[in-house]
Amino acid sequence: AQKVTQAQTEISVVEKEDVTLDCVYETRDTTYYLFWYKQPPSGELVFLIRRNSFDEQNEISGRYSWNFQKSTSSFNFTITASQVVDSAVYFCALKGPSQKLVFGQGTRLTINP
Amino acid sequence: EAQVTQNPRYLITVTGKKLTVTCSQNMNHEYMSWYRQDPGLGLRQIYYSMNVEVTDKGDVPEGYKVSRKEKRNFPLILESPSPNQTSLYFCASRSLGQYYEQYFGPGTRLTVT
Repeated sequence: AQKVTQAQTEISVVEKEDVTLDCVYETRDTTYYLFWYKQPPSGELVFLIRRNSFDEQNEISGRYSWNFQKSTSSFNFTITASQVVDSAVYFCALKGPSQKLVFGQGTRLTINP
Repeated sequence: EAQVTQNPRYLITVTGKKLTVTCSQNMNHEYMSWYRQDPGLGLRQIYYSMNVEVTDKGDVPEGYKVSRKEKRNFPLILESPSPNQTSLYFCASRSLGQYYEQYFGPGTRLTVT
């Protein structure tokens, strides 16, 4: 069975601090995809990144970076120099060979001015 | 503009009154899916469809029905809604040919009293 765990239910930091959101996954598949989505207060789901299981390169996009480590089954997300607009609920998700996307519980991130 | 639309966006109804939430996509995607989002549980898949007339259960199908008579539409039907179906619902679609990220609709907030 596939499972995604986001152990941090809520995180609150002051603007400009760096913050890391943890994501740990479980799967027996050798081919799988990992995702991060952002859900701002307006409620829509915004796609941030997709990573396949054969690509362990870390990725940086502006203030966002992702650290994929198969050895620890983790796909953590770091926001550098956080801003108030980063306040949202963030979801990590996993897809294996089946068509189902399995989501973590989500982490509510609050950036205080 | 490529998009997934859902209607209505907000709905308050009473126990037992049948309702339908519509979902439509304009990207000619084969795969469509419904999720519900509940606090602390993330998003859970209700039903999915691989193509016209092909549907299957997700993790939480009880109390829901779907149909896929046309490729672009995938309505979610609650024959006899109950308060435990109060939730935020998302429709999603994607192409099957290669794994692209799922496109999510804006969400439907349903309250059953």
